[in-house]
Amino acid sequence: SAVISQKPSRDICQRGTSLTIQCQVDSQVTMMFWYRQQPGQSLTLIATANQGSEATYESGFVIDKFPISRPNLTFSTLTVSNMSPEDSSIYLCSVGGGTFYGYTFGSGTRLTVV
Amino acid sequence: DAKTTQPNSMESNEEEPVHLPCNHSTISGTDYIHWYRQLPSQGPEYVIHGLTSNVNNRMASLAIAEDRKSSTLILHRATLRDAAVYYCILILGSSNTGKLIFGQGTTLQVKP
Repeated sequence: SAVISQKPSRDICQRGTSLTIQCQVDSQVTMMFWYRQQPGQSLTLIATANQGSEATYESGFVIDKFPISRPNLTFSTLTVSNMSPEDSSIYLCSVGGGTFYGYTFGSGTRLTVV
Repeated sequence: DAKTTQPNSMESNEEEPVHLPCNHSTISGTDYIHWYRQLPSQGPEYVIHGLTSNVNNRMASLAIAEDRKSSTLILHRATLRDAAVYYCILILGSSNTGKLIFGQGTTLQVKP
């Protein structure tokens, strides 16, 4: 299965600023997924990122707040823009084997906005 | 995506088998059943998946009902390290396009 390196592992940020989270995969993958996990909650899918096209956002998430880049088949970034304390969460990236294989997750970025 | 229903929490004793149930009564014929678990302070980890037949791997077994409306994840001998949140997820059967939609999962507590 793929191995994902996610950075940073944690950060404390001031409100109103932005943070960019990076995910590097050790193999080429068609689709990458970004999730948010709010404190004590399950994971919520933010968007699906394909190489060479705009990301597809889930209901409740918009590109202006969570811009995503996917410059090649092994790398993606998620930016959390104009942060507020409500953005304090764990953000995770994932790559899938589709229905036939398991999905792999990064170790997550624990974001605290103060 | 079809919905799954799991108990909020379960308890087990160490070294005993654990059966984690999942109901998915609206499953379609092409939906795969996936199980993931999330250990404390870690990202989710793939456990097992199946379509119709029961499946075994080094981590667990997956028993799928004949009508596919329910499934059970079986941990044969629970260890303290198996304490985690377990998620049962259905994925539409198409290669590399399915997305994982997480429910609340079952929090498994393992007692020594």
